[in-house]
Amino acid sequence: QKEVEQDPGPLSVPEGAIVSLNCTYSNSAFQYFMWYRQYSRKGPELLMYTYSSGNKEDGRFTAQVDKSSKYISLFIRDSQPSDSATYLCAMTSNQAGTALIFGKGTTLSVSS
Amino acid sequence: KAGVTQTPRYLIKTRGQQVTLSCSPISGHRSVSWYQQTPGQGLQFLFEYFSETQRNKGNFPGRFSGRQFSNSRSEMNVSTLELGDSALYLCASREDSDSPLHFGNGTRLTVT
Repeated sequence: QKEVEQDPGPLSVPEGAIVSLNCTYSNSAFQYFMWYRQYSRKGPELLMYTYSSGNKEDGRFTAQVDKSSKYISLFIRDSQPSDSATYLCAMTSNQAGTALIFGKGTTLSVSS
Repeated sequence: KAGVTQTPRYLIKTRGQQVTLSCSPISGHRSVSWYQQTPGQGLQFLFEYFSETQRNKGNFPGRFSGRQFSNSRSEMNVSTLELGDSALYLCASREDSDSPLHFGNGTRLTVT
């Protein structure tokens, strides 16, 4: 079993739709959870950063962490064509020097 | 603040050669990490440096090495290049262990 599982998609939605992206993980030591967005030919851009369980909202983006189920989600409201990108979940126990473990990424396409 | 800067953006090398990639972190960030990104394996951790000391190393052969300078700038070296080393090499920096990683746009290495 891989440490982090993420459905690669592709996921295609019309403009204005609510998008749900998810990751599951197996390591209960993970405490810090991130979502990155990566456009073609660019590096990953940090979208959301959360600690432990709970929700965090930033504009059209909401991140949820359920540590009991080892499941994290990213919701995008009112999706736009500019949201078309690959979304990567990442997590770590964040002891000093501990590496981020990434999902393989979900490719999202939002059509106008 | 300027973001993480990586040079060069693109490199083409021949099998058996060696290559050096450079990274300038965000001003004030003392931690620099390197990741390899390939379509098959996704993002994989190479190593992390903090205040010129390697703090952690991923599961890569000894041909992959790095260093960090007193100004926090970092270099990564790959010796005796193999075709399988073709990848996007990403550098990321963070302020401290509780902070998220911020990535550069990477160096695209092609080995022929």
